[in-house]
Amino acid sequence: KAGVTQTPRYLIKTRGQQVTLSCSPISGHRSVSWYQQTPGQGLQFLFEYFSETQRNKGNFPGRFSGRQFSNSRSEMNVSTLELGDSALYLCASSLQDKNTEAFFGQGTRLTVV
Amino acid sequence: DQQVKQNSPSLSVQEGRISILNCDYTNSMFDYFLWYKKYPAEGPTFLISISSIKDKNEDGRFTVFLNKSAKHLSLHIVPSQPGDSAVYFCAAISNTGNQFYFGTGTSLTVIP
Repeated sequence: KAGVTQTPRYLIKTRGQQVTLSCSPISGHRSVSWYQQTPGQGLQFLFEYFSETQRNKGNFPGRFSGRQFSNSRSEMNVSTLELGDSALYLCASSLQDKNTEAFFGQGTRLTVV
Repeated sequence: DQQVKQNSPSLSVQEGRISILNCDYTNSMFDYFLWYKKYPAEGPTFLISISSIKDKNEDGRFTVFLNKSAKHLSLHIVPSQPGDSAVYFCAAISNTGNQFYFGTGTSLTVIP
């Protein structure tokens, strides 16, 4: 079956703009999580959605938001972009069962100039 | 506050030898641990996991060891192959939620 699909793969935005990233999970997976990866910081958890509800949220400012649709697809939005938001944004999906591995998409490389 | 730590940013190993990647955690509520491998420009791929009720899990050339009292886990790769060269992340899940906590990664280079 198809893996986790993230679009777009690459994006360049200017400071102050807003951006929306999309993630389509593996069919049947209802949990979608978002992570930010920057050099030296590893993967920082942004938020997790399950059945259209945000279940967990990381320590990111309110400029970072997300949502999940009834078909489990998820979008992440960042408003008023800052240079420091440049990063690889990764989406992961998993079954609703606890303690199962998450499957990652290839990520969206966002560059803010 | 980094609850999962990988203190070695990089590691070089000769082909055929053993690679040992280490990971420490601080939260005693973590009860499931995973290792992911990441190539440049790709998302992380799942390698192996271990539940807190076990102290060892093996899958082919990959073995993960868990020492709960020391809050330490390690990934052993033997024998190491050049294709194993990648960044390895350890991750943990708390028994109270579905959030993955990742370490900062260790870049492994296997020298032919």
